[in-house]
Amino acid sequence: EVQLVETGGGLVQPGRSLKLSCVASGFTFNNYWMSWTRQAPGKGLEWVASITNSGGSTYYPDSVKGRFTISRDNAQNTLYLQMNSLRSEDTATYYCTRFSLGAHDYWGQGVMVTVSS
Amino acid sequence: DVVLTQSPATLSVTPGERISLSCRASESVDTYLHWYQQKPNESPRLLIKYASQSISGIPSRFSGSGSGTDFTLSINGVELEDLSIYYCQQGNSLPFTFGSGTKLEIK
Repeated sequence: EVQLVETGGGLVQPGRSLKLSCVASGFTFNNYWMSWTRQAPGKGLEWVASITNSGGSTYYPDSVKGRFTISRDNAQNTLYLQMNSLRSEDTATYYCTRFSLGAHDYWGQGVMVTVSS
Repeated sequence: DVVLTQSPATLSVTPGERISLSCRASESVDTYLHWYQQKPNESPRLLIKYASQSISGIPSRFSGSGSGTDFTLSINGVELEDLSIYYCQQGNSLPFTFGSGTKLEIK
């Protein structure tokens, strides 16, 4: 059974940093791209970042480019999202997803990030 | 960026009805169009991939069609448990984008 478990969320002040983690199990982690997707309270879904199976390439939308960094440790079956220079508009539930040929085929339970002073 | 426009925003239906939800892309996404269901207070789950391919474990009443810019998610015989928001998403070009969703309400 595929499982994705996110941790690391919480309350953080604007301009500060936070790092999310996602531990994967139930599949061969290093065979798959992975992604982060977020959902602001009461809003829709927004893709945040993707990383290739080897970790050699990463992709971001303009809204987070230069502030967020996605990475992975294939030996530990773990995906990360380093978030710097956080803004109030980054407040959202962040989901770790397995990303297979452009589709988010498995989702974690999500972790809440609140950016507020 | 590819903009995905979903309609209607909200749909109120009677159990047993056959319904169709629309997703239109601002430019062609070929068949790299996927549908997700998000039930209240749950994570989204993949319903249909590549416009029309079924997903293991998803009830057969869900089906998808379309290519290029016009796509449809159909539910053949809506059930109470289908109360959800349905999102489309394109994986054809960066940035990967989602539609704003269609909320399904049960009468």
